[in-house]
Amino acid sequence: QKEVEQNSGPLSVPEGAIASLNCTYSDRGSQSFFWYRQYSGKSPELIMSIYSNGDKEDGRFTAQLNKASQYVSLLIRDSQPSDSATYLCAVNTVGSGSARQLTFGSGTQLTVLP
Amino acid sequence: DTEVTQTPKHLVMGMTNKKSLKCEQHMGHRAMYWYKQKAKKPPELMFVYSYEKLSINESVPSRFSPECPNSSLLNLHLHALQPEDSALYLCASSHAGQNTEAFFGQGTRLTVV
Repeated sequence: QKEVEQNSGPLSVPEGAIASLNCTYSDRGSQSFFWYRQYSGKSPELIMSIYSNGDKEDGRFTAQLNKASQYVSLLIRDSQPSDSATYLCAVNTVGSGSARQLTFGSGTQLTVLP
Repeated sequence: DTEVTQTPKHLVMGMTNKKSLKCEQHMGHRAMYWYKQKAKKPPELMFVYSYEKLSINESVPSRFSPECPNSSLLNLHLHALQPEDSALYLCASSHAGQNTEAFFGQGTRLTVV
């Protein structure tokens, strides 16, 4: 069973602070990693993808990947109330029949307090 | 354009009804997915189509029947569902390959009465 683990939270941060979300995965063969944001009642929205060790920045978001430690994280700088959502870590793994599939963590609920 | 379109947005059906969910994308993606999501849970994979062929069926009950008529369309046929099947049904698509991003439709909120 290939697993993706996240701190389920909830996580609360004040407006303007840095929110740090963490994820670990069990499949050492995984090559691609994603963060999705999901507002209540809506579908997941892709916000970051990362494939190589190190940091990847996009605006206020930074994804970090460490394949040796099987660890991926998402930092949100200058957090805004509009960032309040559930953040899903997803890892591309090999499923049954050798087809690739996204395996999701349980999600971290983030609340940014004004 | 990263749009995946699902219809209908909401569906209420009885346990003896037959209905279908539809998903469409025009991004040239050759992998399409059905996920089921219950409240406060992550999406749970149901089916994967790769190049219009069913490549993953995650032991889904036969009352759910997927169909991929062409590279842009994905259907999920529903028959004799149970109230516990009420959930948000999500379609997603991606390029078929390893390092590829998947994009989700807005989902169909299904209620079985």
